Amino acid sequence: KNQVEQSPQSLIILEGKNCTLQCNYTVSPFSNLRWYKQDTGRGPVSLTIMTFSENTKSNGRYTATLDADTKQSSLHITASQLSDSASYICVVSDRGSTLGRLYFGRGTQLTVWP
Amino acid sequence: EADIYQTPRYLVIGTGKKITLECSQTMGHDKMYWYQQDPGMELHLIHYSYGVNSTEKGDLSSESTVSRIRTEHFPLTLESARPSHTSQYLCASSESKGRTDTQYFGPGTRLTVL
Repeated sequence: KNQVEQSPQSLIILEGKNCTLQCNYTVSPFSNLRWYKQDTGRGPVSLTIMTFSENTKSNGRYTATLDADTKQSSLHITASQLSDSASYICVVSDRGSTLGRLYFGRGTQLTVWP
Repeated sequence: EADIYQTPRYLVIGTGKKITLECSQTMGHDKMYWYQQDPGMELHLIHYSYGVNSTEKGDLSSESTVSRIRTEHFPLTLESARPSHTSQYLCASSESKGRTDTQYFGPGTRLTVL
C-alpha cells in the first residue's frame, strides 16, 4: 500500500533554533517528492520539489534532502522564525498514471515560540 | 503567490441545504482538483479535471459533484448538505509539465453543516 508517514506529528522549538522534519514513504513507482507549508486556515504552498536524481534542494532557510534508496526525505529549517509556525506536508507523486497521483502525509505541526 | 481563489472562505449552513463552493484560477492551468481535509489529517482527492468538460472522481468517495465548463472555473456542489460534510475543502490547479507539475492551492473553504 502506498503511504507517506511523517514525524514528528508536532514539534515546538524556540525562535532562532534549527529543526528537521522527517518523511518516509512506500510509494512506488516514484516520480517526485514535494514539501508544502500550510499556514492555519490556508492552502498549502510548495517549498521544494525533488525528482529521483536529486538528493538536496534549498529554498532560503529550507533545505530538503531525498534518499530514494531508503525512501526517506527530510526538511531542515535553519534559524527558525515565528512565521515558520505552520504544518509541513510531505507529498509523493507516482508516475503510474497520467494524473501523476499524489500521496499526502498528515503533516508535522511546527510551532515556533519567541 | 498563486492566482487561485475560493469563495466563500467560511460557510455555516443547515442540513439539507444545497451549496456550491466556487473555485477559479487565472493562470490558464488545464488541471484542477478538489481536496477534502479534516484537522490533523492528510488531504484526500475528491474530484479532478484534465480540462473543459472533463471531470473524474478522486480517491475519496464524495456525494458532491463538479463541473468544468470554463478552463478557469471548477465549482463543487452539494445537493443536500449533511453534518458529515463538515470539513475544509481545498481547490488546486496545475499546468501539465511532465513529472513535476506543481499544484497551486486556493485558501480553502471551511464548511460547517449543522
